[in-house]
Amino acid sequence: NAGVTQTPKFQVLKTGQSMTLQCAQDMNHEYMSWYRQDPGMGLRLIHYSVGAGITDQGEVPNGYNVSRSTTEDFPLRLLSAAPSQTSVYFCASSPWPLGETQYFGPGTRLLVL
Amino acid sequence: AQTVTQSQPEMSVQEAETVTLSCTYDTSENNYYLFWYKQPPSRQMILVIRQEAYKQQNATENRFSVNFQKAAKSFSLKISDSQLGDTAMYFCAFLTDSWGKLQFGAGTQVVVTP
Repeated sequence: NAGVTQTPKFQVLKTGQSMTLQCAQDMNHEYMSWYRQDPGMGLRLIHYSVGAGITDQGEVPNGYNVSRSTTEDFPLRLLSAAPSQTSVYFCASSPWPLGETQYFGPGTRLLVL
Repeated sequence: AQTVTQSQPEMSVQEAETVTLSCTYDTSENNYYLFWYKQPPSRQMILVIRQEAYKQQNATENRFSVNFQKAAKSFSLKISDSQLGDTAMYFCAFLTDSWGKLQFGAGTQVVVTP
């Protein structure tokens, strides 16, 4: 059981470039989410999904797209990277949204120049 | 909107001593869940403890325990017999609605010294 995996671990982008952060879980969890972590601000929710084909926006969705075609995968797409998107990104999953523990991936550190 | 406040940016404690981290939250909901997550230098987010608001009994996990005061909207974490491996950032988090949206505090850096 690998849990929640994220790739890449670290990425450098130039302003305007696009990329996809990958997230996968092998626990058959319905709920998956993306957070970003910035210094002094804790983690903030970007997008979430309650099942395949269902996604919704979180607190800071601008500049990011998601889709959920399978239960296992939940990629996060940056359409046109900006320096303000420099952050650490975490993917998380849980078996059911309310009250269940969310399990986090190891994170992806993104630097946008 | 729900908010979570951790008022202590950093705390230092000696090995074997006890440290208490504070967390307050604001909500009008009656049914919700509270969590403490630990983030060591490896950056991995690790669940420390979980509390269900409808349970009056305070949750405990080995050396970690909480003091949950629902009326005061307070959820403090006590680390007993601190160990060097407890050095980490600790986040308080709040979960209220059915969509699983965790609301995090800004975190408290705990440094355990020999």
